[in-house]
Amino acid sequence: DQQVKQNSPSLSVQEGRISILNCDYTNSMFDYFLWYKKYPAEGPTFLISISSIKDKNEDGRFTVFLNKSAKHLSLHIVPSQPGDSAVYFCAGGGSQGNLIFGKGTKLSVKP
Amino acid sequence: DAGVIQSPRHEVTEMGQEVTLRCKPISGHNSLFWYRQTMMRGLELLIYFNNNVPIDDSGMPEDRFSAKMPNASFSTLKIQPSEPRDSAVYFCASSLTPGRAQYFGPGTRLLVL
Repeated sequence: DQQVKQNSPSLSVQEGRISILNCDYTNSMFDYFLWYKKYPAEGPTFLISISSIKDKNEDGRFTVFLNKSAKHLSLHIVPSQPGDSAVYFCAGGGSQGNLIFGKGTKLSVKP
Repeated sequence: DAGVIQSPRHEVTEMGQEVTLRCKPISGHNSLFWYRQTMMRGLELLIYFNNNVPIDDSGMPEDRFSAKMPNASFSTLKIQPSEPRDSAVYFCASSLTPGRAQYFGPGTRLLVL
């Protein structure tokens, strides 16, 4: 039973355009959501997070949107850069203490 | 401040041997997590500790796996005996607050022949 789903295993975007990565969740107990970026041969790196009481959080080129009624969150990267090419994981967290991760979406940003 | 430190970075061993992976969390972080990443299953939580106490070990595959956290600055994950299906990348992560941002180490790439 996947509590966090990233239905697109891969996404290809042109440099300078917007990248939109999507994530759906089923666990209503999540009160915090996070996005991680992972390069090959490295550990995941924390990117941005959002509390369940908010619907948007922005940090530079990265914005996370949360739609609680749809149990959906998305990460927007504008403008996309070749260095953004990586695997992106979304995760949900709550009082249980651990994070539940999706299986990731591989983003390729083409010059 | 140094991030999460893991050792070794790579380990190649033969089936049946004991493997010990080590982790030093970020100083001041109260929670420590061990994950395994494989192509088939993605990133799986194996066990996590809060204030050095194991809280959830339901992800530990079987009795061959054990983890300890003798103090706030050190944890080990042991596999004994190791099997080829244990080949994966093992990550350690720590966080200041359970359920919030975790910071990952570089991982240990384990290959069991």
